Amino acid sequence: KAGVTQTPRYLIKTRGQQVTLSCSPISGHRSVSWYQQTPGQGLQFLFEYFSETQRNKGNFPGRFSGRQFSNSRSEMNVSTLELGDSALYLCASSLSGIIYNEQFFGPGTRLTVL
Amino acid sequence: AQSVAQPEDQVNVAEGNPLTVKCTYSVSGNPYLFWYVQYPNRGLQFLLKYITGDNLVKGSYGFEAEFNKSQTSFHLKKPSALVSDSALYFCAVREVSGNTGKLIFGQGTTLQVKP
Repeated sequence: KAGVTQTPRYLIKTRGQQVTLSCSPISGHRSVSWYQQTPGQGLQFLFEYFSETQRNKGNFPGRFSGRQFSNSRSEMNVSTLELGDSALYLCASSLSGIIYNEQFFGPGTRLTVL
Repeated sequence: AQSVAQPEDQVNVAEGNPLTVKCTYSVSGNPYLFWYVQYPNRGLQFLLKYITGDNLVKGSYGFEAEFNKSQTSFHLKKPSALVSDSALYFCAVREVSGNTGKLIFGQGTTLQVKP
């Protein structure tokens, strides 16, 4: 089975712009979660989607949003970019997202905000 | 609130020696614990998990972890380290919300295995 794929792998944007990141989960997986990884804050949960519905949300401002499509693919959007949004954004998929399912991570999208 | 602590920023070990990467947790209710490894410029790879049952959990690449409820620990171990094991290791706990929940990660421990 193909793993979790994320596009693009690298992005450079300037402050004030917006960005959309894409994630394709492992075939058959219906839960997609997003995490932000930075050297200072470590790995932080953004949100989780299941069957096109946001099921959990982390403590991030409203500039961060996401959605999931009927084929389980997911996108996240960050509007009005700030320098502090520079990070590795990781997508993870799992079968159903229930507590004992492990999550499988994609390679990430490295976002640099100038 | 659930939390995870990895007390060591870096662990150094010689190839062939046993390794331990430490993790302690704080949860209300049953703990659901995971270990992941991250290689440079890569995403996280799942190593193993503890849900219930045996306190010694075996995982990928020869890794195992010991769950200790009284010490609220979930240390990652390997009997004989390889240079290729050098990477960043994360312990995580599932914050339960109904029957789902986000992963809460420790700050990570860099494992350096020297030849």
